[in-house]
Amino acid sequence: KNQVEQSPQSLIILEGKNCTLQCNYTVSPFSNLRWYKQDTGRGPVSLTIMTFSENTKSNGRYTATLDADTKQSSLHITASQLSDSASYICVVSDRGSTLGRLYFGRGTQLTVWP
Amino acid sequence: EADIYQTPRYLVIGTGKKITLECSQTMGHDKMYWYQQDPGMELHLIHYSYGVNSTEKGDLSSESTVSRIRTEHFPLTLESARPSHTSQYLCASSAPDRGQFTDTQYFGPGTRLTVL
Repeated sequence: KNQVEQSPQSLIILEGKNCTLQCNYTVSPFSNLRWYKQDTGRGPVSLTIMTFSENTKSNGRYTATLDADTKQSSLHITASQLSDSASYICVVSDRGSTLGRLYFGRGTQLTVWP
Repeated sequence: EADIYQTPRYLVIGTGKKITLECSQTMGHDKMYWYQQDPGMELHLIHYSYGVNSTEKGDLSSESTVSRIRTEHFPLTLESARPSHTSQYLCASSAPDRGQFTDTQYFGPGTRLTVL
């Protein structure tokens, strides 16, 4: 069964600290993995996308890693800010472009305290 | 910020009422989607469209219907709302990533529906 599991379910950190969110998937075949940020009451916004051949990708203070062999990905947030408080969703696609089906994780709810 | 809009943002309505959730995008995307999301749960695809006059049901069975008469507009209708329809509804559109065999989905802000 194709699934995407995220951990932890929720996380509280102090402003300025780093954190790492985890995503494990069983989706096969695999096309790409994307991390989204969803602010409360808003739609998700794409942070990074990685295909099979990519191991790491950065977007500002966000760095995503992918191990396609173990089917694991992580999202590392550096020097957290209050505005990082949001749900972070891992999404895996089983094929590229038009035919790809998306599998969503339940997200990790991150809260950054001052 | 993506140019995709949803109205209303919040809706509280009584059982049995007919409602239409509006979604429009100004990016010229052919592909559009409707998702349902409950708190702490994953997004579930309920409808999608690959272009004008194309509509398909998604993975999650839904009593709602959609139409796609214009590229920019993808409304969702519930003929008779029930408390079980209480949820957040997210609309999205997508376009191919330049030079890649992937699409990026751009989400609207969502409509929070409560049926009493």
